[in-house]
Amino acid sequence: NAGVTQTPKFQVLKTGQSMTLQCAQDMNHEYMSWYRQDPGMGLRLIHYSVGAGITDQGEVPNGYNVSRSTTEDFPLRLLSAAPSQTSVYFCASRTGLFYGYTFGSGTRLTVV
Amino acid sequence: AQTVTQSQPEMSVQEAETVTLSCTYDTSESDYYLFWYKQPPSRQMILVIRQEAYKQQNATENRFSVNFQKAAKSFSLKISDSQLGDAAMYFCAYRSANGQNFVFGPGTRLSVLP
Repeated sequence: NAGVTQTPKFQVLKTGQSMTLQCAQDMNHEYMSWYRQDPGMGLRLIHYSVGAGITDQGEVPNGYNVSRSTTEDFPLRLLSAAPSQTSVYFCASRTGLFYGYTFGSGTRLTVV
Repeated sequence: AQTVTQSQPEMSVQEAETVTLSCTYDTSESDYYLFWYKQPPSRQMILVIRQEAYKQQNATENRFSVNFQKAAKSFSLKISDSQLGDAAMYFCAYRSANGQNFVFGPGTRLSVLP
């Protein structure tokens, strides 16, 4: 089915390890974003992209890197995992200003 | 910066009854969009309904409708004939007309009682 695909769905990391959360969409959407969801805080924007080769920081970018080499893919890299990065991560994409985001199914990350 | 507030962390409703979830937001802009998202236990974020600020008419989608009060900066969601499948976290979200990204509220957890 068309949509946003995130992998993995679950991950446990040790403090200091690095990893990449994968995100791919097949809807030819220009806009893609990464959010983290923490209890009582809703979703907070980490990084976003308005097209291939263009990325920018959101509300909580520290400790994360992104790149957008193609329209389809928007990976999120954790450089050196910390327990504060334990969260559920969502990738989302959309097209046009009016439309809402289509979300991936999320990645639950635990850093121990 | 814009903020979105959902003052009800948890709510419950009897099956087949009607429930209203509240959302208020703070902005100095005149043109923007508002959304309600549903997150069931599966964790998937599902768009429920959206509203353009320049439209006075309240949006409706089947059993879901909104009460949009622009002057009061209020955007409540009404669910009619509640069903067990409506049980979920509900998030209110704001996006300015020329902005790229959403601002989400903290969410309201809705339980539906049989």
